[in-house]
Amino acid sequence: GAGVSQSPSNKVTEKGKDVELRCDPISGHTALYWYRQSLGQGLEFLIYFQGNSAPDKSGLPSDRFSAERTGGSVSTLTIQRTQQEDSAVYLCASSFGGAVSHEQYFGPGTRLTVT
Amino acid sequence: AQSVTQPDIHITVSEGASLELRCNYSYGATPYLFWYVQSPGQGLQLLLKYFSGDTLVQGIKGFEAEFKRSQSSFNLRKPSVHWSDAAEYFCAASVGGTASKLTFGTGTRLQVTL
Repeated sequence: GAGVSQSPSNKVTEKGKDVELRCDPISGHTALYWYRQSLGQGLEFLIYFQGNSAPDKSGLPSDRFSAERTGGSVSTLTIQRTQQEDSAVYLCASSFGGAVSHEQYFGPGTRLTVT
Repeated sequence: AQSVTQPDIHITVSEGASLELRCNYSYGATPYLFWYVQSPGQGLQLLLKYFSGDTLVQGIKGFEAEFKRSQSSFNLRKPSVHWSDAAEYFCAASVGGTASKLTFGTGTRLQVTL
C-alpha cells in the first residue's frame, strides 16, 4: 500500500520568504508527526497531531513555525520569514494513534534550503 | 530529561563480520524502544521495536536487539554484515499515548568494507 508521502522533495527559498511543506499520511493513521533533521541538531521532534488536534507542539522552535491538519489526513507545516538556520530535512511520520505507542512510518522528507 | 544516547558516531566493519551498535536510554520508566535505519537521501525505515515481553526482539534484514533493563540499553546486533547494510542507524524511544513523540539518539554511521 501507499506509504507516507511528502511534497515537495526539495525546496530552495530565499531568506525571508514563507514556505509550506505538505505531508500525506498512511490511510487510516490517526497520528501524524513532524520532525526536523539537521547536521547540527540531529533528529528533532516538532509537532504531533492526533486527528486534527495538536496535543504536543513543544518542539516548534519559534512562532515562525506552524502546522495544521485537516480532515484527519493531510498536514501542512508552514515556516514564515525563513532564516538560514531553518535549512534542514523535514520529515513527516504517521502511526495508528491511541494509548499505546505504535511504530511510526516515515516519509522521504523535504529538503529545505534557505539562501 | 529523557534522552537516548548512541556512544559510537562511526563504526567500520568488514563484510561478513558481526555487528553491535550500542544504545542507552534515560527515562523515568521503561520507554518503548525502536531502531531505525536511514540510507543516504532516504527516509527512516523501522528495523525493530520493543514494547514489552521477550527482551530479544527480531527485526527485518536479519537484525535483532536485546533490551537490558539493568543497563538501560537496547543494543542492535547482526551476526553477519552485508555491504548493503552501510547506512546510518538511529535508536529512538517514546513513552506512548499523547507523549508518543520519538526521542532519537545522534545516530551511528556504519561503514562496511569488502
